[in-house]
Amino acid sequence: QKEVEQNSGPLSVPEGAIASLNCTYSDRGSQSFFWYRQYSGKSPELIMSIYSNGDKEDGRFTAQLNKASQYVSLLIRDSQPSDSATYLCAVNFYSSASKIIFGSGTRLSIRP
Amino acid sequence: EAGVAQSPRYKIIEKRQSVAFWCNPISGHATLYWYQQILGQGPKLLIQFQNNGVVDDSQLPKDRFSAERLKGVDSTLKIQPAKLEDSAVYLCASSPNFRVNTEAFFGQGTRLTVV
Repeated sequence: QKEVEQNSGPLSVPEGAIASLNCTYSDRGSQSFFWYRQYSGKSPELIMSIYSNGDKEDGRFTAQLNKASQYVSLLIRDSQPSDSATYLCAVNFYSSASKIIFGSGTRLSIRP
Repeated sequence: EAGVAQSPRYKIIEKRQSVAFWCNPISGHATLYWYQQILGQGPKLLIQFQNNGVVDDSQLPKDRFSAERLKGVDSTLKIQPAKLEDSAVYLCASSPNFRVNTEAFFGQGTRLTVV
């Protein structure tokens, strides 16, 4: 069974600080990785995708991938109250076709 | 570009009744997913279509759930009969194709309450 593991939180971070969210996955052959943000009562929206080892930056968001350790992380710099949401890690377990599996999500709360 | 459309947005039914959800993916997207999201959990993949063929339905409770994607465009997910534990948000998502580096785009979901 393909698995994606996340700490459910809640993770509480002061406004302006860096929030660090982590994710591990079970299949070493996985090739693409996504972070989705989900506000309460809303559907998930894609905020970052990463495909190769290293860092990928987009504005205040940085995704980090380490395939050897089967580990993906998301850093949010200068955290804002509007960043308070659940962050879902998703992994594309590709064999003959894509299969996108989600973790349980980490609830992030930015305190003023 | 229009997003993934789902209907209805909300549905309340009694246990043992049947219910159907409809999804229209982004135009041109070959891959369509149905996910079930129970409160406090991540989305769980129920079934995945590539055009009008099923790619994966290993997590679909086939004794009560069924899905189809006729003509490879819109899709319907049905539950018959519903159980209390089916209360969840049912999310439809689509991707341009089934290749490895494509993300999924979600509709607004259908919130099902079984009483």
